[in-house]
Amino acid sequence: SAVISQKPSRDICQRGTSLTIQCQVDSQVTMMFWYRQQPGQSLTLIATANQGSEATYESGFVIDKFPISRPNLTFSTLTVSNMSPEDSSIYLCSVEDRVLTDTQYFGPGTRLTVL
Amino acid sequence: LAKTTQPISMDSYEGQEVNITCSHNNIATNDYITWYQQFPSQGPRFIIQGYKTKVTNEVASLFIPADRKSSTLSLPRVSLSDTAVYYCLVGEGYNGGSQGNLIFGKGTKLSVKP
Repeated sequence: SAVISQKPSRDICQRGTSLTIQCQVDSQVTMMFWYRQQPGQSLTLIATANQGSEATYESGFVIDKFPISRPNLTFSTLTVSNMSPEDSSIYLCSVEDRVLTDTQYFGPGTRLTVL
Repeated sequence: LAKTTQPISMDSYEGQEVNITCSHNNIATNDYITWYQQFPSQGPRFIIQGYKTKVTNEVASLFIPADRKSSTLSLPRVSLSDTAVYYCLVGEGYNGGSQGNLIFGKGTKLSVKP
């Protein structure tokens, strides 16, 4: 399994500002994923980030709003841009298991509150 | 990807066995069935995965009938610390081209009482 850390663990931000969330993995992985979990809801995939290429965004998510960086095989960032209260969620990054199919390991999440 | 249906919530008492059933009528031949557990303020955690029949690990058992249109996660002798949301996922796996796109349903909120 992989050990994943995220920074910050939580933040309270003002409307219109941006926040960059960092995700660090203890081993090299090809694919990293970013999810959003709105209060009381299930997880929704935002995008898939491969090292050395542009992130692939899911329907309803765009790069201008959620720019992603993937500078190396152990690190990724997700920026939530021009925030509004509707962006208040938990943001999680994950990586795939190298052996099991459809299995991912998740970070602890970043709890974002936008005022 | 196949859609899954689970009960929204379940209640249990400490020491009981809990069985959570997930329906996935449109499961494809290449699909695996995976269960995750999520505690409040934490990311989901992999519990168990299976393709057919029965799989058991140190945490749970997974029962899958021959038609694979449903699966049952069995938690033996639950404790208060098993209170969490449990998600059932069905996917093609990387060879099937889904490339890790996990589709999380609403999950089952299990409440274990003393």
